[in-house]
Amino acid sequence: EAQVTQNPRYLITVTGKKLTVTCSQNMNHEYMSWYRQDPGLGLRQIYYSMNVEVTDKGDVPEGYKVSRKEKRNFPLILESPSPNQTSLYFCASRIQGGGYTFGSGTRLTVV
Amino acid sequence: AQSVTQPDIHITVSEGASLELRCNYSYGATPYLFWYVQSPGQGLQLLLKYFSGDTLVQGIKGFEAEFKRSQSSFNLRKPSVHWSDAAEYFCAVGATKNTGKLIFGQGTTLQVKP
Repeated sequence: EAQVTQNPRYLITVTGKKLTVTCSQNMNHEYMSWYRQDPGLGLRQIYYSMNVEVTDKGDVPEGYKVSRKEKRNFPLILESPSPNQTSLYFCASRIQGGGYTFGSGTRLTVV
Repeated sequence: AQSVTQPDIHITVSEGASLELRCNYSYGATPYLFWYVQSPGQGLQLLLKYFSGDTLVQGIKGFEAEFKRSQSSFNLRKPSVHWSDAAEYFCAVGATKNTGKLIFGQGTTLQVKP
């Protein structure tokens, strides 16, 4: 089944403890992206990647890192999470000329 | 800079009634436009997209949208709403067909009355 898989689905962590949210797609898509969703703010793009080793900042990149060493994987790294990064995170991928296919989301709570 | 506005935060319609969700964008050239739906607790699903050509676009689940350049709008419509259409709907815009950058509106929550 064609899909974008994120892990974990739920995560509670403490301030400052580094974490990684994994994202993998099995559709051979060139483009991948991370979004965060907050009430009243819609989805805001954190980072995106147009191919292996090619990444660029979205609208809210501060406090996040990404890497794209393989086409299928696009992990999101929070080096030192803070409470304002508590949010619902979505990974997505797309082909050229297509719409994004979204993962099921990761709900992160930073205490 | 690109931006997307969904003027209606919350809309309630009766089952069987018609629906129109508004989306206005701000962009100098012809944008690439999308509508997504998010059911509670779920990820986002693509309903339809507009890149060029016919300004009336058909999507899944009986939805359609019309691109109106003069009004900078891309409104989503459905002739007869079903209870299962209750969800949050997002309009999004990209600068080019191959951009990785996609900007979303704040969303419209649709409630369907029996």
